[in-house]
Parts: sequence; C-alpha cells; structure tokens
Amino acid sequence: SQQGEEDPQALSIQEGENATMNCSYKTSINNLQWYRQNSGRGLVHLILIRSNEREKHSGRLRVTLDTSKKSSSLLITASRAADTASYFCKTSGSRLTFGEGTQLTVNP
Amino acid sequence: DGGITQSPKYLFRKEGQNVTLSCEQNLNHDAMYWYRQDPGQGLRLIYYSQIVNDFQKGDIAEGYSVSREKKESFPLTVTSAQKNPTAFYLCASSNGQGDTDTQYFGPGTRLTVL
Repeated sequence: SQQGEEDPQALSIQEGENATMNCSYKTSINNLQWYRQNSGRGLVHLILIRSNEREKHSGRLRVTLDTSKKSSSLLITASRAADTASYFCKTSGSRLTFGEGTQLTVNP
Repeated sequence: DGGITQSPKYLFRKEGQNVTLSCEQNLNHDAMYWYRQDPGQGLRLIYYSQIVNDFQKGDIAEGYSVSREKKESFPLTVTSAQKNPTAFYLCASSNGQGDTDTQYFGPGTRLTVL
C-alpha cells in the first residue's frame, strides 16, 4: 500500500509552541500532500511536496521530505488555537487513501 | 462561488432503508470520490470516478452504489446491504491530472441509522 501513516496519533501543545507531525510510507512516490480537517468538516489541502524536493514552506507551515527514509514531516510554527485539527498525509500513486491522521490540540 | 457541496448535512434513516447522499461540484473536475470516515479514524475510499459514465470500486464498496451520469454529480446510495452504515461521508473532486492533483472536499454528510 502507498498509504501514508501519520504519527503521533495525538499531539497536545500550548499556543505559541511549534508542532511537528510525521508521515511514513512504504513505496516510491512522485509527491506527498498534507491535508487538514477541522472537526466534523471536510479536508482542506495544505501543501504538496514533490519527490525531488527536500523542503517546502507555506506561511507558518514547513514540510520536509526524505525519500531515502520514506518519511515526511509537517512543522507548524507559532501554533494558534485555530490550528487545532486533524492532519493527514497522502502519497501519490494508484491508491487514493488517507491514513488515520494526527489529532493536534493547541491549548490557549 | 466555485466549490463542492454535499447534502444533507445530517441524515437519519431507519435500518433496512436505502438512502442516497448528494454530491455536486462546479469546479469542472473530471474525477470525483466518496470516502467514509468513522470516529477517530482515517478516510476509507468507497468509490471513485475519473470520467463521466465510469466509476471504480474503492476499498470498501460493498453495500454501496454510485452513478456518474453528469460531470457535476456523483450521488452515493447506501443500501440495506451495508451492515454498519452510520458514519461521516465525504465527497471530493479533483482535476484528475495524474498524481499531482489536489482533492477538494465537500463539508460531509453525517448519516445515522436508527
């Protein structure tokens, strides 16, 4: 399966701290995407990183990709209470699946 | 406004009844998808369609059916054969351009079978 698996399953931090979550996968990929889901809502695309890229930034988001370790990380800097959500990674390939996500709670 | 809509937001049905969930998009996307999400779980793919009049089974298609008669619409029917239909259902669309296409999600329908 090319499904990404996120860890940790749950992360609780204080407002202003950085949050790091990871995604591991098993097979070669062309790209990896991160999505966010607020409780009871649909997913929203955050960022895509291609297999030939090592790092990408978007606002307070920083994504890294290590194809040798088959892993990616999503860093949210200076977190806010509004960042509380579940975060999913999705790898490219023929199977259109998402992992179980990381539930991030940012406490005010 | 361009987007993807699902209706209704909440749906209650009696056990044994078929129910159809609506999904409409005006993004001119070729591909559409249906996912099921159980509490605290990830998304599991039910069906997807890459072009009008064609669709493929996902990982958990049993007890579900779909149609894709129009590009804009991809309704999902939850049949009485689905053993545990209570869940949150998400529809998504994408432009279907290979592996880099981004999926756009609707707000979801929460189905409760009584």
